[in-house]
Amino acid sequence: EDQVTQSPEALRLQEGESSSLNCSYTVSGLRGLFWYRQDPGKGPEFLFTLYSAGEEKEKERLKATLTKKESFLHITAPKPEDSATYLCAVQKRNNDMRFGAGTRLTVKP
Amino acid sequence: DTGVSQDPRHKITKRGQNVTFRCDPISEHNRLYWYRQTLGQGPEFLTYFQNEAQLEKSRLLSDRFSAERPKGSFSTLEIQRTEQGDSAMYLCASSSLDGPGAFFGQGTRLTVV
Repeated sequence: EDQVTQSPEALRLQEGESSSLNCSYTVSGLRGLFWYRQDPGKGPEFLFTLYSAGEEKEKERLKATLTKKESFLHITAPKPEDSATYLCAVQKRNNDMRFGAGTRLTVKP
Repeated sequence: DTGVSQDPRHKITKRGQNVTFRCDPISEHNRLYWYRQTLGQGPEFLTYFQNEAQLEKSRLLSDRFSAERPKGSFSTLEIQRTEQGDSAMYLCASSSLDGPGAFFGQGTRLTVV
């Protein structure tokens, strides 16, 4: 059965303390992997798409990487405004997208 | 604003009533998705359209739920005979056929009392 698992469930960091979020997946026919940011009460905001193992994407303090079994979202020197829930989703070849439960990130000043 | 638009943003209804939500996708996007999200969970897939064709439905989408996308433009999600367990945020997203990812609306928060 297709599964998307994110870890940790919650992460508390001090401002400037770099860390990584994990998304592991078992999906038949992966077409792409997506990272989203979601603030409370709002819809998810698109961050990155990764299509093949070895691919990397960067945006400000965030960098996403992909292997055949997992993806990492690296956060370098985070700021309090990076606090949010980060969601990972996989898109299968039939084009539907399935999400993980998310990692709730809190960055303290 | 050319993003995905959902209406209403909030809906409070009594148990047993029917409700309908609307989603207007980004105009050039062929694909449209509906998700349901409860507190502390990731979005759960409900259904997916490519143009006007409903290509996939989740087992979560019981016979009380129906979605349409007439003419491949806006979409509606109807819930009949609402139950308290239907209380959630209902999210709509759209993407192009070769797009980098799906873009979400702000959601409709449903509360069934």
